Amino acid sequence: DTGVSQDPRHKITKRGQNVTFRCDPISEHNRLYWYRQTLGQGPEFLTYFQNEAQLEKSRLLSDRFSAERPKGSFSTLEIQRTEQGDSAMYLCASSKDGPKGSPLHFGNGTRLTVT
Amino acid sequence: QKEVEQDPGPLSVPEGAIVSLNCTYSNSAFQYFMWYRQYSRKGPELLMYTYSSGNKEDGRFTAQVDKSSKYISLFIRDSQPSDSATYLCALIQAAGNKLTFGGGTRVLVKP
Repeated sequence: DTGVSQDPRHKITKRGQNVTFRCDPISEHNRLYWYRQTLGQGPEFLTYFQNEAQLEKSRLLSDRFSAERPKGSFSTLEIQRTEQGDSAMYLCASSKDGPKGSPLHFGNGTRLTVT
Repeated sequence: QKEVEQDPGPLSVPEGAIVSLNCTYSNSAFQYFMWYRQYSRKGPELLMYTYSSGNKEDGRFTAQVDKSSKYISLFIRDSQPSDSATYLCALIQAAGNKLTFGGGTRVLVKP
């Protein structure tokens, strides 16, 4: 168990550019989540995958955001036409496909700064 | 009003003291309760997981759930400077799959 891995750790981009983040979950975990966290706040849910199927999306996930998990393993989160308000820590988490309420295991996040 | 309320702190205690943290929630659909610890510039790390009212103990940590009052607590005994971090409560609804977090409480344990 090597934990949830996220890449890159930091990304600085100019407003209007597109960015893509990658998440590699724990290998035996079928569920994968994306969260966003701003300074001094708790993480906010963005979207959730069960294997390759995206089952739930938050209203926070505007049309500029898209997430994929093509083979049910790693996932990518793309933000198009970035805005300064997109600056945040983007966290990926995974959990086992088991009973309701299975705890999530988080990666160390990708910190995005939009200038 | 947020679904999960948590005092942001900071909570400053001397080394060796008991740290007491809590969250309140408004939706009785929440049935699974977790506490995470988050160090600066790191992801949240799972500390405790429980799904029933009462106490659960793990080493220096005790989680307490009172579903009737919609109130959960985390106690840290014999606190150490390495316990200085932000502590997040997180809840899952019985019919759901996603965590809903409190805003986190920043804790500082002074040597």
